[in-house]
Amino acid sequence: NAGVTQTPKFQVLKTGQSMTLQCAQDMNHEYMSWYRQDPGMGLRLIHYSVGAGITDQGEVPNGYNVSRSTTEDFPLRLLSAAPSQTSVYFCASSPPGQPRETQYFGPGTRLLVL
Amino acid sequence: LAKTTQPISMDSYEGQEVNITCSHNNIATNDYITWYQQFPSQGPRFIIQGYKTKVTNEVASLFIPADRKSSTLSLPRVSLSDTAVYYCLVGDRTGNMLTFGGGTRLMVKP
Repeated sequence: NAGVTQTPKFQVLKTGQSMTLQCAQDMNHEYMSWYRQDPGMGLRLIHYSVGAGITDQGEVPNGYNVSRSTTEDFPLRLLSAAPSQTSVYFCASSPPGQPRETQYFGPGTRLLVL
Repeated sequence: LAKTTQPISMDSYEGQEVNITCSHNNIATNDYITWYQQFPSQGPRFIIQGYKTKVTNEVASLFIPADRKSSTLSLPRVSLSDTAVYYCLVGDRTGNMLTFGGGTRLMVKP
């Protein structure tokens, strides 16, 4: 298993641009989530999904969209990038049959918005 | 949202036992308490998880009192490589909205 993979590793955007952060897992995990981590801060939940076709908002969803067309993929889309979205973005998934709090994290995508 | 509170930072020396406490006053009946470790430039890594009383694995112990409004992560005989940020995580009543605490920066000194 490759675990949770994220692409790209690093991205620079200009204000107003849009982009999609990719997240994939090959472990057949139903629950997936996106977090952002600002420098020196903790993780905040952006969106989550309990299975294909189902998504919901987390603590800080504004400015982001998600979709879950397959169990494996959970892309995060920035609609119109703003400097306040400069952060490290982590995707995570949770194995079935275990509490949701059991999460496997990807390596992260570092985003800089100028 | 379930809210968690942790100390911002702690210092220790190699070989000492370190205890980090997290308060989660609004924890729901079906919530588990999970702790993660994060090194710079990496994603968080699962350490230990529990529901009540005490849980121990090869890395740490987790103590949860009967009221479950707090939990304590215990790291026995820390080494320099344990320098990291430690987060506790609890869910909301549905178990879907997961909220991390602010994290505790542990510095282990020689």
